[in-house]
Amino acid sequence: GAVVSQHPSWVICKSGTSVKIECRSLDFQATTMFWYRQFPKQSLMLMATSNEGSKATYEQGVEKDKFLINHASLTLSTLTVTSAHPEDSSFYICSASRGSETQYFGPGTRLLVL
Amino acid sequence: DAKTTQPPSMDCAEGRAANLPCNHSTISGNEYVYWYRQIHSQGPQYIIHGLKNNETNEMASLIITEDRKSSTLILPHATLRDTAVYYCIVRAVDNYGQNFVFGPGTRLSVLP
Repeated sequence: GAVVSQHPSWVICKSGTSVKIECRSLDFQATTMFWYRQFPKQSLMLMATSNEGSKATYEQGVEKDKFLINHASLTLSTLTVTSAHPEDSSFYICSASRGSETQYFGPGTRLLVL
Repeated sequence: DAKTTQPPSMDCAEGRAANLPCNHSTISGNEYVYWYRQIHSQGPQYIIHGLKNNETNEMASLIITEDRKSSTLILPHATLRDTAVYYCIVRAVDNYGQNFVFGPGTRLSVLP
């Protein structure tokens, strides 16, 4: 099956710093990638949809200037949390579609902002 | 909002079949039924999907009712490693650019 990786798997940072999370499709080209966020004991919530070579589409309530998404190639999308604060601490998960009906999810990145 | 309803939790004895129900009474004719699961602190894992016929793979079987308003995911011989939250999701065929909408899912506990 298709494999999606994320890096780093976990990160701890100080408040006010920026953190970049990478999402890679390892064995297929992803026309669309999605970024989700999951808080403890809650379900996944979509943050944004990213298509290669175009601007990401953000869900209502998600600040595009705070969560910068770059989808520079068909195998890589990045999410940068700028000026992170403790309330941004969460589990960030990406998924990728290769143009088929199935999406494949990465293992997630746990962010802790102190 | 999610278009599916699932029981919040279920228990299953190890080695027995786990039958996880899902209601999707408003499903459209062009929507697939997908099942994913999420083991603690991991990303969701694809299990199976179907349109109207029953499906089986190495992980599970998917039984869809004739009117397509409900389905059941069957894990034939549950193991402790099957303990996870199981999500039933519907999404339109050919809408590859659309995200999956996750509801709260069913927390399956496989007991020794």
